[in-house]
Amino acid sequence: NAGVTQTPKFQVLKTGQSMTLQCAQDMNHEYMSWYRQDPGMGLRLIHYSVGAGITDQGEVPNGYNVSRSTTEDFPLRLLSAAPSQTSVYFCASSLVLPDSNQPQHFGDGTRLSIL
Amino acid sequence: SQQGEEDPQALSIQEGENATMNCSYKTSINNLQWYRQNSGRGLVHLILIRSNEREKHSGRLRVTLDTSKKSSSLLITASRAADTASYFCATSGAGSYQLTFGKGTKLSVIP
Repeated sequence: NAGVTQTPKFQVLKTGQSMTLQCAQDMNHEYMSWYRQDPGMGLRLIHYSVGAGITDQGEVPNGYNVSRSTTEDFPLRLLSAAPSQTSVYFCASSLVLPDSNQPQHFGDGTRLSIL
Repeated sequence: SQQGEEDPQALSIQEGENATMNCSYKTSINNLQWYRQNSGRGLVHLILIRSNEREKHSGRLRVTLDTSKKSSSLLITASRAADTASYFCATSGAGSYQLTFGKGTKLSVIP
């Protein structure tokens, strides 16, 4: 099993550009989520999905879109990149919801810089 | 807003010593989890403790949970240089769709 795979690993964008961060998991997990990690801020939840076709907002959703057309994939879209979105982005998945005592599996992250 | 807060923010110890990190949280939880993050990598799950448990062990790791004080501690015994990493606690409430992370403790183990 590859686990959770994120692409690309690094990306530099100009302000106003759009892009999609890819996340795929091969563990048949229902729950997937996106976090951003900023220095001194820990991880903050952007969006999450409890299954194919179902998504919802987390703590910091503004400027980001998600969709979940398959169980395996959960892409994160930046609509119009802003310097404040410079961060490290992590995708995570788990078999079921976080309150059901299942661990989260994380990808290695995408390091995004917005100039 | 952040649910968990780790203490200390940074910790430096000699190899072979024990390392203790603390986590405090604000609201009732269903479980509390600890994760490790090596530099430049994703988070790796270490241990999960349920709200009705008080202590749990896994290898050199010992986690305690005090729901009356809304706090948890992670003890790493006989530390190794390879334990150098950031450690995060994360909480989930009953019926919650979210796992909420603290800001982490940066542990440095000096050989």
